[in-house]
Amino acid sequence: LAKTTQPISMDSYEGQEVNITCSHNNIATNDYITWYQQFPSQGPRFIIQGYKTKVTNEVASLFIPADRKSSTLSLPRVSLSDTAVYYCLVGGYGSSNTGKLIFGQGTTLQVKP
Amino acid sequence: DADVTQTPRNRITKTGKRIMLECSQTKGHDRMYWYRQDPGLGLRLIYYSFDVKDINKGEISDGYSVSRQAQAKFSLSLESAIPNQTALYFCATSDRGTNSDTQYFGPGTRLTVL
Repeated sequence: LAKTTQPISMDSYEGQEVNITCSHNNIATNDYITWYQQFPSQGPRFIIQGYKTKVTNEVASLFIPADRKSSTLSLPRVSLSDTAVYYCLVGGYGSSNTGKLIFGQGTTLQVKP
Repeated sequence: DADVTQTPRNRITKTGKRIMLECSQTKGHDRMYWYRQDPGLGLRLIYYSFDVKDINKGEISDGYSVSRQAQAKFSLSLESAIPNQTALYFCATSDRGTNSDTQYFGPGTRLTVL
């Protein structure tokens, strides 16, 4: 199973761009990189997913270098409501860890006014 | 995600009692999962099911059992509850038809075992 490493916590201020980097040196060929967001006492919520290069949606961007051994979640102009735990996961259908997503401790992002 | 519902949302029970947590989904997904989360920690997989006739143990299945009654329903049972099973339990679903196994989570069940 591909293990991920990400910072335990980060602080930011409203309006700033936040970049959270995740390392996944043992990522397999079939693995996708997925980021989830979790608020206290709620289930994780899918944010963004990618396989390579750059992916952008209405809430975030995901940057994946060519070797895919790391990825960076970028949140533009964060607000107080972005305070949450962010999980980086690798895996996907057909890979060796299908159905066995490893959440880890995630990165607790605290956005300050 | 409102398409994945869990009942009950909160439950307090006593040591030794059998308890069932239920999960229903209207997303039409084949795959369903049960996780537990302890304070300050990430989620750990208990059981998962890729279709009605398929049940697989996850990372921490001891003390738990599951039943996949239908494509849309996946129940988790604690045979004889113990205090260290006090946790937040989440059900999730994913679509077999995709390559990326994105999971959609329910609102969670907070279980307290006294």
